[in-house]
Amino acid sequence: AQSVTQLGSHVSVSEGALVLLRCNYSSSVPPYLFWYVQYPNQGLQLLLKYTTGATLVKGINGFEAEFKKSETSFHLTKPSAHMSDAAEYFCAVSKETSGSRLTFGEGTQLTVNP
Amino acid sequence: EAGVTQFPSHSVIEKGQTVTLRCDPISGHDNLYWYRRVMGKEIKFLLHFVKESKQDESGMPNNRFLAERTGGTYSTLKVQPAELEDSGVYFCASSQDVRGATDTQYFGPGTRLTVL
Repeated sequence: AQSVTQLGSHVSVSEGALVLLRCNYSSSVPPYLFWYVQYPNQGLQLLLKYTTGATLVKGINGFEAEFKKSETSFHLTKPSAHMSDAAEYFCAVSKETSGSRLTFGEGTQLTVNP
Repeated sequence: EAGVTQFPSHSVIEKGQTVTLRCDPISGHDNLYWYRRVMGKEIKFLLHFVKESKQDESGMPNNRFLAERTGGTYSTLKVQPAELEDSGVYFCASSQDVRGATDTQYFGPGTRLTVL
């Protein structure tokens, strides 16, 4: 079975500071990896995904994530936090042998302080 | 283009009652998914439709849950009778069947169900 662990259910940063949200996965087969963001009263929105190819993936709103197979990680980063980045972030995985269902981590609530 | 819509946004019912949640996917998306998030826990997969057929319903918790997708368009998820542990946020998502597991799923805002 695959699982996803997001370290830190709440992360707080200052505006302009680096954002680092951690995601580790366990999977017996190569996974596909996703980061979603949920703003208040909205649905989950895809930030970025890794399927194949380049391990550094750039997404929307200045976010990027790097797939590190040796560390089974897919951490999300942004060099400079903006107030509008305050939201809940979800890491998820899928794999061909499980159809197209997503397995999610528990989410990380990001707070950006002025 | 309209996104995934869900109705109602909130529902409060008493234990033992019946509730029906509705999801309208993005037009043209053959794949429709239901997920649920119980408070403080991760979002969990419930089931997957391809058009009107159930592709995978392994995540459905028990036979009190019934999902349908008549005509391959909108879907309903009925809970009958509802129990306290059914409380949570129910998300619907849809995708085009282009690459399967690598497809982007587009999520609705969710229905928050509270069972008292």
